[in-house]
Amino acid sequence: AQKVTQAQTEISVVEKEDVTLDCVYETRDTTYYLFWYKQPPSGELVFLIRRNSFDEQNEISGRYSWNFQKSTSSFNFTITASQVVDSAVYFCALAKYNFNKFYFGSGTKLNVKP
Amino acid sequence: DAMVIQNPRYQVTQFGKPVTLSCSQTLNHNVMYWYQQKSSQAPKLLFHYYDKDFNNEADTPDNFQSRRPNTSFCFLDIRSPGLGDAAMYLCATSRDLGGRGYTFGSGTRLTVV
Repeated sequence: AQKVTQAQTEISVVEKEDVTLDCVYETRDTTYYLFWYKQPPSGELVFLIRRNSFDEQNEISGRYSWNFQKSTSSFNFTITASQVVDSAVYFCALAKYNFNKFYFGSGTKLNVKP
Repeated sequence: DAMVIQNPRYQVTQFGKPVTLSCSQTLNHNVMYWYQQKSSQAPKLLFHYYDKDFNNEADTPDNFQSRRPNTSFCFLDIRSPGLGDAAMYLCATSRDLGGRGYTFGSGTRLTVV
């Protein structure tokens, strides 16, 4: 069975603070994909990153970085120097290798205050 | 340019009155999906079409149906909406069942009165 846990329901930070969103997953598959999506108040799901299970390299994209650790089944997301525009719900998701659907976590709501 | 388009963005329907939500795509993707996302919850897959083959998730209520008349369009029909069906409905597409190019639309927020 596939399962994604985002233990942080809601996080509030002040602008320019760094913030890390946690994601822990469970799967028996050896090959799978992990994702992060951003959902602003307008509702659309914005793709942030896709990682396959064989690639444990950390990734940095501007202020965003991701730390994938298979040993702890975690795929954490860090925003450096947060901005008000980062306020949104962030979903971590898992997909099987030949997938037709995502297994989403319950989401973490990030509030960035000016 | 929007590639997965959902109309309308907001839909209000009456309790028990059939409603149809629309999704179109310009990506020529083979697979189209419908997700339901209730307030403060994660999106939940209802069903998907791979070309003309319809695949229902086991726990999708019978009240929800779908049609895909051609590659570009897919519709979600709710036969008798209840108050519990109020949600954001997200359409998504992918090139194939391997999930390549998975793209979400902006969603339709359904209110049932």
